[in-house]
Amino acid sequence: EPEVTQTPSHQVTQMGQEVILRCVPISNHLYFYWYRQILGQKVEFLVSFYNNEISEKSEIFDDQFSVERPDGSNFTLKIRSTKLEDSAMYFCASGDRSTNQPQHFGDGTRLSIL
Amino acid sequence: DAKTTQPTSMDCAEGRAANLPCNHSTISGNEYVYWYRQIHSQGPQYIIHGLKNNETNEMASLIITEDRKSSTLILPHATLRDTAVYYCIVRPPDGFNKFYFGSGTKLNVKP
Repeated sequence: EPEVTQTPSHQVTQMGQEVILRCVPISNHLYFYWYRQILGQKVEFLVSFYNNEISEKSEIFDDQFSVERPDGSNFTLKIRSTKLEDSAMYFCASGDRSTNQPQHFGDGTRLSIL
Repeated sequence: DAKTTQPTSMDCAEGRAANLPCNHSTISGNEYVYWYRQIHSQGPQYIIHGLKNNETNEMASLIITEDRKSSTLILPHATLRDTAVYYCIVRPPDGFNKFYFGSGTKLNVKP
């Protein structure tokens, strides 16, 4: 069964550095998402992406964050000037063209900011 | 924005059916009910979804009341591997729309 894959599984970065989290969505999917989950807290929506542009973003997704689909297969989340509070699990999700169909999630990247 | 209410936790004996309730009394006519689960810190795993008819797949059954104000997820024969947080989510059928994850129900399957 096709799945969403995320790399790396764990990223350790010094505060102030930039990180890029990578995702390979399911191949025929058109909608792409990033969520995050701070340890012990709820899964929070960050951003949705469709037709090569952001369709919705949360208050969390400020100028520090950006997303890109650099080619036909990858979907990336860039976090600039990382802060301690950016430490979290980051989940990528994708959904297909049928609008009532579910989103499928990857297993996440654990981001640790030191 | 929470549109669903779920119990904080439930226990179930291994091999028995687990019935997880969800209230969504403000659900709109075009909103679907989705169930996901999260095992430890893994990514949310899709289980099942429906609009108004009952649904069944290889993982679970979804029973939606006639007025659509509540639903029940049924795991017919719970195993220890079904121990997880289960999320009930309502969402309109627009691919743009995010999923809102509340606190869910922690299901503890016990031997």
